[in-house]
Amino acid sequence: AQSVTQLDSQVPVFEEAPVELRCNYSSSVSVYLFWYVQYPNQGLQLLLKYLSGSTLVKGINGFEAEFNKSQTSFHLRKPSVHISDTAEYFCAVSRTFSYNQGGKLIFGQGTELSVKP
Amino acid sequence: EPEVTQTPSHQVTQMGQEVILRCVPISNHLYFYWYRQILGQKVEFLVSFYNNEISEKSEIFDDQFSVERPDGSNFTLKIRSTKLEDSAMYFCASSYGLGASGRAGHEQFFGPGTRLTVL
Repeated sequence: AQSVTQLDSQVPVFEEAPVELRCNYSSSVSVYLFWYVQYPNQGLQLLLKYLSGSTLVKGINGFEAEFNKSQTSFHLRKPSVHISDTAEYFCAVSRTFSYNQGGKLIFGQGTELSVKP
Repeated sequence: EPEVTQTPSHQVTQMGQEVILRCVPISNHLYFYWYRQILGQKVEFLVSFYNNEISEKSEIFDDQFSVERPDGSNFTLKIRSTKLEDSAMYFCASSYGLGASGRAGHEQFFGPGTRLTVL
């Protein structure tokens, strides 16, 4: 079974400051890793994903994340945030894809990023 | 850009009533999912559906729940007799599955959700 822990429930930050949202996972099998963003009253939008290959993954809106297998982490970073980045961010993990079962996502609790002017 | 749509956006029902939540996945996708998010809690997997049958379900997905793909476009979640604790946001998602590269189609696209309120 897989599990995800997001270490911070809320992260307040000033505009143009850097931010890191932390995510650790647990799994006994190979996994894929994802970050989703949820703006108020909207669905989940994929920010970025790690499937294999380079451990530094770049996503939309200037976000990036680094997969660290030894520390079982997949922290999300952005060098300079904007007011519009205010949202809830979810880290998720799935086992590697199976034709019969698909790839269910296991989500963390979410981190509320609040960007202040 | 293709997207997953869900109706209704908000459903209010009385405890014990049946509800059907509807989703239209992206047209060429093969895998379909339902998730739910109780207010203030994490998003939880309910069920996955492939090749016209349930491929995996969670402990939450008990006999009160069922899913169906009644035609080539819709994917529904039915709750037979709603309980207060079923109040949540329900998200539908779809994915293509394994693409030509072996991985490209694994991304799940989410709909905007249906907020279910059980009174």
